[in-house]
Amino acid sequence: GQNIDQPTEMTATEGAIVQINCTYQTSGFNGLFWYQQHAGEAPTFLSYNVLDGLEEKGRFSSFLSRSKGYSYLLLKELQMKDSASYLCAAVPSGTYKYIFGTGTRLKVLA
Amino acid sequence: DVKVTQSSRYLVKRTGEKVFLECVQDMDHENMFWYRQDPGLGLRLIYFSYDVKMKEKGDIPEGYSVSREKKERFSLILESASTNQTSMYLCASSVISGSVGTDTQYFGPGTRLTVL
Repeated sequence: GQNIDQPTEMTATEGAIVQINCTYQTSGFNGLFWYQQHAGEAPTFLSYNVLDGLEEKGRFSSFLSRSKGYSYLLLKELQMKDSASYLCAAVPSGTYKYIFGTGTRLKVLA
Repeated sequence: DVKVTQSSRYLVKRTGEKVFLECVQDMDHENMFWYRQDPGLGLRLIYFSYDVKMKEKGDIPEGYSVSREKKERFSLILESASTNQTSMYLCASSVISGSVGTDTQYFGPGTRLTVL
């Protein structure tokens, strides 16, 4: 079957670093997306990985290991506004359809 | 900037009513998607469309239908609303480029539907 797993909730302190993990099982693989979703709002695109390795975008980085079916999102210098849900989505081969995880709710404390 | 808009942010309907949710995108995207989002279940695909008048069932199409008469507009229809269709409904669009499945989906603000 096709499955995405990510932790339900995480808590971190302002200014710290947090890593949100995601494991996936799909029939073939065309890439992995990370989205941020604030409460009551639309998901917004953060990053896309298709090759192994780290993609860095400012305070946010995303890592992919295709052989392990594993990705993580790294958030540095946490700010209060980073409190949100983070959605991991994998794309099986030959389809436009994402398989979404249930999301990780991150709380940033002062 | 890609813009995806949805007709309502909040909607309250009664059981048995026919409900229309409208989604419009302004970036000439070929693909459009309808999801519902429920606590603990994440985003689940209801239907998607890869061209005008073309549609494919997602993972949970039962109780829903869709219409895509124009490229920019994708409508979700609840033929006879039921209480278990109370949910957040999200529309998304993406362009077709390069390899299938590598294109970022852009989401609308969502419609929170309550069926009483």
